[in-house]
Amino acid sequence: AQTVTQSQPEMSVQEAETVTLSCTYDTSESDYYLFWYKQPPSRQMILVIRQEAYKQQNATENRFSVNFQKAAKSFSLKISDSQLGDAAMYFCASGSYTDKLIFGTGTRLQVFP
Amino acid sequence: DSGVTQTPKHLITATGQRVTLRCSPRSGDLSVYWYQQSLDQGLQFLIQYYNGEERAKGNILERFSAQQFPDLHSELNLSSLELGDSALYFCASSPGGEQFFGPGTRLTVL
Repeated sequence: AQTVTQSQPEMSVQEAETVTLSCTYDTSESDYYLFWYKQPPSRQMILVIRQEAYKQQNATENRFSVNFQKAAKSFSLKISDSQLGDAAMYFCASGSYTDKLIFGTGTRLQVFP
Repeated sequence: DSGVTQTPKHLITATGQRVTLRCSPRSGDLSVYWYQQSLDQGLQFLIQYYNGEERAKGNILERFSAQQFPDLHSELNLSSLELGDSALYFCASSPGGEQFFGPGTRLTVL
């Protein structure tokens, strides 16, 4: 069975600093995707970044980047220059191209001014 | 705005009742997924439709059912509601790969 584990229930960061959220996964799929979703207090699920497992290059979206270690089945999210608006729950998820997503339990990120 | 719409935004009902949640996917997306999020938990997959056909089922109760119509909108029907069914229900659509989520329907069962 596919599993996604987020071992940090809560994290905090100072504004303008960098923070890294951890995620490990397990899948039997040979071709899969990994995602980070942000859920602010509005509860909307917002796609932050995606990584195709076949790509060796780590994905980057502005201040958000990932460290994808395929052999270790690790997929961490780095947020640089943290902003107050980054405060939210962050969910790591995995899935194949046409399949459901398996979500971790989330990491609550607090950003302090 | 993800382009996925869900109605209603909020729903308050009593135990034993039946409700219908509606989802309109992004233009061009054939896949629709339903997820349930209870309290501050992760999302649990319920069911997937692709171009009108059921594609996969997750931990969906027998009291719950869904369908996808020819215009690709989808409905999730929840019947004989129990207090434990109170949750946020998300619909997501996908062109393949990433999934785009609607704003969710918050269901409260009293």
